Amino acid sequence: DIQMTQSPSSLSASVGDRVTITCRASQDINNYLAWFQQKPGKAPTSLIYAASSLQSGVPSKFSGSGSGTDFTLTINSLQPEDLATYFCQQYNSYPPTFGQGTRLEIK
Amino acid sequence: QVHLVQSGAEVKKPGASVKVSCKASGYTFTGHYIHWVRQAPGQGLEWMGWINPDSGDTNSAQKFQGRVTMTRDTSISTAYMELRRLRSDDTAFYYCARDRGDYRLYWYFDLWGRGTQVTISA
Repeated sequence: DIQMTQSPSSLSASVGDRVTITCRASQDINNYLAWFQQKPGKAPTSLIYAASSLQSGVPSKFSGSGSGTDFTLTINSLQPEDLATYFCQQYNSYPPTFGQGTRLEIK
Repeated sequence: QVHLVQSGAEVKKPGASVKVSCKASGYTFTGHYIHWVRQAPGQGLEWMGWINPDSGDTNSAQKFQGRVTMTRDTSISTAYMELRRLRSDDTAFYYCARDRGDYRLYWYFDLWGRGTQVTISA
């Protein structure tokens, strides 16, 4: 199975900051990478697919980039409601696998 | 509105079975595969399998083969996941998620249910 490694595992940032989360695949996954947001006590919601395509209804403050093995999720103008854990997921190879998550805290 | 509504929390004893339902609304149920993903306490997400609501075909992760059964009832737009021979490490939230693909697998989950908490306790 492809291993997905996220970094950092947690981070704390201030309102208005720009934050970047990294996801690394153990082998080439082309651009078959998705990002999800999971707020405390809630189900995951989809943010980005195909590494950089924004899911319908997701604000443009979220963006994704990368290809191959290295990917990033960027959140601009951080707001209190962005408090959540963010997961990446590869869907290039069977079975689909997820990163361990990055917990984002707001200072 | 497009929704996946899951059944309520369950508490089961080791060795028992649990069946979780996932009712779709707001879209053509047979047009999108349904995946099942679980999340154990404090852990990441783990893909369990998919069902094609149109054909009824299923596929499960090797880890769950022989213990999981996925079915659907197209008359009520509902998918089901049954897990048998439950163990304590099956304690988790179980999510259904819709595949983005139109009558095909795309493997991107664009819509999630709110999850069903399953607790295994003697």
